[in-house]
Amino acid sequence: GAGVSQSPSNKVTEKGKDVELRCDPISGHTALYWYRQSLGQGLEFLIYFQGNSAPDKSGLPSDRFSAERTGGSVSTLTIQRTQQEDSAVYLCASSLSGTGGGYEQYFGPGTRLTVT
Amino acid sequence: AQTVTQSQPEMSVQEAETVTLSCTYDTSESNYYLFWYKQPPSRQMILVIRQEAYKQQNATENRFSVNFQKAAKSFSLKISDSQLGDTAMYFCAFMKHPGNQFYFGTGTSLTVIP
Repeated sequence: GAGVSQSPSNKVTEKGKDVELRCDPISGHTALYWYRQSLGQGLEFLIYFQGNSAPDKSGLPSDRFSAERTGGSVSTLTIQRTQQEDSAVYLCASSLSGTGGGYEQYFGPGTRLTVT
Repeated sequence: AQTVTQSQPEMSVQEAETVTLSCTYDTSESNYYLFWYKQPPSRQMILVIRQEAYKQQNATENRFSVNFQKAAKSFSLKISDSQLGDTAMYFCAFMKHPGNQFYFGTGTSLTVIP
């Protein structure tokens, strides 16, 4: 079946512009995560959606970052007034995780964001 | 808070040899899951192996196996008969149960030398 997809795969933007990154999770997966991976670094948790519950936004680095998930499926991560330090790969993952937890995450290929 | 530590930023291994990647974690939780993910140069993160903390038996998936030492909070990954396609970044991850947030280590870059 189809895996997690992300678009665009690469995005170059000028400092100060807004960008939107899209994630299509695996059908039926209730949980959706966004991570940021800077060059040569590990994964930094940004935000987590679980079903219709309020998202866990505890990882968002500033109020320039926001995300939404429409209809419990597609998610959009928006970065306003981009800065050079926002340059990174943004990874999306989904899982079957429900209240029981414990299900592995399936990752998309990521969006490489470059802010010039 | 949970922390995951991978103390080996880079490792290399000869093709067909065996290599072990280290991972330690810190938690006060008694029930959790541990994972190893592989990220090749293509950037796609792929699950390698999963271990439930309540299971004493170490997980095995073909050439990949883990050494899970719960008391020591250690979760190492052993790759046997290393292949060129194993060249990748390997991330150790922790998830408490019940719960849904993952905590990742900083990764180990593994190079398999022909």
